[in-house]
Amino acid sequence: DSGVTQTPKHLITATGQRVTLRCSPRSGDLSVYWYQQSLDQGLQFLIQYYNGEERAKGNILERFSAQQFPDLHSELNLSSLELGDSALYFCASSNRGSREQYFGPGTRLTVT
Amino acid sequence: AQSVAQPEDQVNVAEGNPLTVKCTYSVSGNPYLFWYVQYPNRGLQFLLKYITGDNLVKGSYGFEAEFNKSQTSFHLKKPSALVSDSALYFCAVREGTDKLIFGTGTRLQVFP
Repeated sequence: DSGVTQTPKHLITATGQRVTLRCSPRSGDLSVYWYQQSLDQGLQFLIQYYNGEERAKGNILERFSAQQFPDLHSELNLSSLELGDSALYFCASSNRGSREQYFGPGTRLTVT
Repeated sequence: AQSVAQPEDQVNVAEGNPLTVKCTYSVSGNPYLFWYVQYPNRGLQFLLKYITGDNLVKGSYGFEAEFNKSQTSFHLKKPSALVSDSALYFCAVREGTDKLIFGTGTRLQVFP
C-alpha cells in the first residue's frame, strides 16, 4: 500500500458526461501528479500540483482540469467525455526530499 | 526533451534464472532514472532510482539496476527470477519539476 488513495476505483459513464476523480496524497507529500494510462498512448503525464499551485502541465486536454485543495487532496475533472478518454487514471504524490513518486491504485474510467 | 526506451515488449525467463529488463535513456544533463512495476489491476510500485553515486542501485524485492553512462542504459536485473515477479515493468526519467516520462513498458513472464 503506497499511502495514496484514489476514488472511485471504477467509473462507467456515457459520452458527453462529466466526471470527477479524487486523490489523497501520502501524509506530508505536497506534490500531486496525474497520469493517464491507455493502450494506445501508454503512461502519460497530465498535470502536477505543488501545495495548491499548478506546477507543470503535460498532454492534458482542454476538456480536463484539476485542482489541489488546502488539505492537499486533488481532483481531476474530465468533461465532454469521449470514447477515447477511457483509460486508467493514476494519481501520484511525492515530497521534495525523495524524488520518487508513489502511485495510487488508479481509477478505471470507461466511457460508453 | 527527456525520453526512455524499452526495446523489448516482453521478456520470458525460467524461474531461478537471472533476468534483465532493458532501458536506454536520452537526457540533457544528469539523468534521474526510475523503475516501477505494475501488477494486474494495481497501481505502479516504485522499485528503485538512480540520482547520483554508485552505478549499481539496489531496490525492492531483490531487484537492482545498473547505470551505464557511456551506453546511456539503465537495465533492471535480478539474479534469480520468481514466478511472482511476472508483471509489467516501466522505466522512467524525471523531466523538469519532477514529472516522470515513462517508457512503453516490458512485460516480464517468469515460467515455473
